[in-house]
Amino acid sequence: EAGVAQSPRYKIIEKRQSVAFWCNPISGHATLYWYQQILGQGPKLLIQFQNNGVVDDSQLPKDRFSAERLKGVDSTLKIQPAKLEDSAVYLCASSSKGGGRTEAFFGQGTRLTVV
Amino acid sequence: AQKVTQAQTEISVVEKEDVTLDCVYETRDTTYYLFWYKQPPSGELVFLIRRNSFDEQNEISGRYSWNFQKSTSSFNFTITASQVVDSAVYFCARGAGNTPLVFGKGTRLSVIA
Repeated sequence: EAGVAQSPRYKIIEKRQSVAFWCNPISGHATLYWYQQILGQGPKLLIQFQNNGVVDDSQLPKDRFSAERLKGVDSTLKIQPAKLEDSAVYLCASSSKGGGRTEAFFGQGTRLTVV
Repeated sequence: AQKVTQAQTEISVVEKEDVTLDCVYETRDTTYYLFWYKQPPSGELVFLIRRNSFDEQNEISGRYSWNFQKSTSSFNFTITASQVVDSAVYFCARGAGNTPLVFGKGTRLSVIA
């Protein structure tokens, strides 16, 4: 079974530029998460989708971050404009059910450096 | 917010020693789920175990074992006879309802040969 795919693996941009990350979840997984992991900290949820609907985006900085999950499969996360503090690893995860009722599987992440 | 606390930031052990990673969680839910994930240097979070709140049986998988105690809201993880390949950051997490997983800050384990 293929895992969660993310691209790119690494990205370096200047502040105020925009960037987009892509995630392809495990086939059949209805729930998709984007987490932000700052160096030395645990993952922090940005947004949770159930199929193509948003379940929780309370911690998404909506003035600069946006995410979509068209057709309930792939998802993109965009940052525009980026700030220095956005430097982090962005992790995508998927599960067949939300809330921990089934385990979430994570992709390898995209390491973003904002200079 | 209902937190997950991993009080140990970093632990170093010598190979073949046993080591226990602590996890304490907060919850107002009757039904909830607890997880441990491993994050090796490659960065990917690897799923290790999931337990639900109704199952307090301890679990053993090879050199790994988990001790779940609802009375103290703890879900500790023990590695027996540690190996260098166990070096990683370990995260405890909690989920409930349709809410996303909440992670602790992680414990960095270094196993020295």
